[in-house]
Amino acid sequence: GEDVEQSLFLSVREGDSSVINCTYTDSSSTYLYWYKQEPGAGLQLLTYIFSNMDMKQDQRLTVLLNKKDKHLSLRIADTQTGDSAIYFCAESMGDKIIFGKGTRLHILP
Amino acid sequence: EPEVTQTPSHQVTQMGQEVILRCVPISNHLYFYWYRQILGQKVEFLVSFYNNEISEKSEIFDDQFSVERPDGSNFTLKIRSTKLEDSAMYFCASLQENTEAFFGQGTRLTVV
Repeated sequence: GEDVEQSLFLSVREGDSSVINCTYTDSSSTYLYWYKQEPGAGLQLLTYIFSNMDMKQDQRLTVLLNKKDKHLSLRIADTQTGDSAIYFCAESMGDKIIFGKGTRLHILP
Repeated sequence: EPEVTQTPSHQVTQMGQEVILRCVPISNHLYFYWYRQILGQKVEFLVSFYNNEISEKSEIFDDQFSVERPDGSNFTLKIRSTKLEDSAMYFCASLQENTEAFFGQGTRLTVV
């Protein structure tokens, strides 16, 4: 079946690193994505990784992909209050993109 | 930077009325999608569209829903007779072949 799983909530102190984890089901996924959604707003593509890559770094963001375990993670270094949002993991599956339920990232002062 | 635009940003409609949600995908993209997100819930796939026809649709996309690309630039989602449970955020997305998907900012549909 199609399922992208991620924990629903993560609480991190400002300045620490946040790590949001995700597992997916389709081993043939070409792309794996991380989207950010701030309250009442749309889906902002944060980063994506090709399935033939293990890691991608983009400024404060690091994506790690373990294809064997079908595990994807997003690390946000030096987490700021502006990082407070819901983060959606998504995988490409055929003609569509399947989303997880989203992880709400809460920043503690 | 190219972007997907959606109009209106917020639509309020009475139950039983027809609504049309509009999207302008990125101009050289080939694949188009509609997703919806009921408040507080996950983002759900509705339909994908390629080469002027539906390529895949979910069980949510029943006979009340239709999509069209009337003029080569707009991509519309029509809900024929809205129900209260159609209230959601509707997202349009587009992509070229083998590239990342770009999403619009969404249309918040409120059915009263």
